[in-house]
Amino acid sequence: GEDVEQSLFLSVREGDSSVINCTYTDSSSTYLYWYKQEPGAGLQLLTYIFSNMDMKQDQRLTVLLNKKDKHLSLRIADTQTGDSAIYFCAEIETSGTYKYIFGTGTRLKVLA
Amino acid sequence: NAGVTQTPKFRVLKTGQSMTLLCAQDMNHEYMYWYRQDPGMGLRLIHYSVGEGTTAKGEVPDGYNVSRLKKQNFLLGLESAAPSQTSVYFCASRRDRGAYEQYFGPGTRLTVT
Repeated sequence: GEDVEQSLFLSVREGDSSVINCTYTDSSSTYLYWYKQEPGAGLQLLTYIFSNMDMKQDQRLTVLLNKKDKHLSLRIADTQTGDSAIYFCAEIETSGTYKYIFGTGTRLKVLA
Repeated sequence: NAGVTQTPKFRVLKTGQSMTLLCAQDMNHEYMYWYRQDPGMGLRLIHYSVGEGTTAKGEVPDGYNVSRLKKQNFLLGLESAAPSQTSVYFCASRRDRGAYEQYFGPGTRLTVT
């Protein structure tokens, strides 16, 4: 079945760039998403990318999509302590149910 | 515009008790979802609805029931709570066009003893 995989942890120094990676399996997904979850809060949509795009930039965030390898990444430039959170990638099923498959999340820790 | 709200924020139940979690959205979204989040397991879909009066099972529906009597509300019921239902529950909604992005509520932390 479909699966979305992410590494569990990432630690970076304040001011550096962070790159969070994700692999997915549903090659027919039309959209892929990145969500941020801060402690005790719900998931906040950060950005999304349409499957016919290779890259999308939104201020400090850059999303790269490699459809051939089914690989998605989120780059955060000039990482700040406020970026410390869990980041989830997700894809949407296009088999008719339009349900979403979430990765298990990557916990980003930003060191001052 | 409050977005997606959930009631209550916290609840402790004894095994066998029942309760209803309420999700409300003011964005006129067609689709609504209930997820549970457990450590190391990401988000798992319990039930979802594609419109008022409709519901469908997700990945882990056993032990839960749902109702969507009004477009803006999606209720999740536990008829006889079990310790395995201790979790954080999230509701989400989305419109039926565009990028299909979901908007999440703040969550309900449920403990069953």
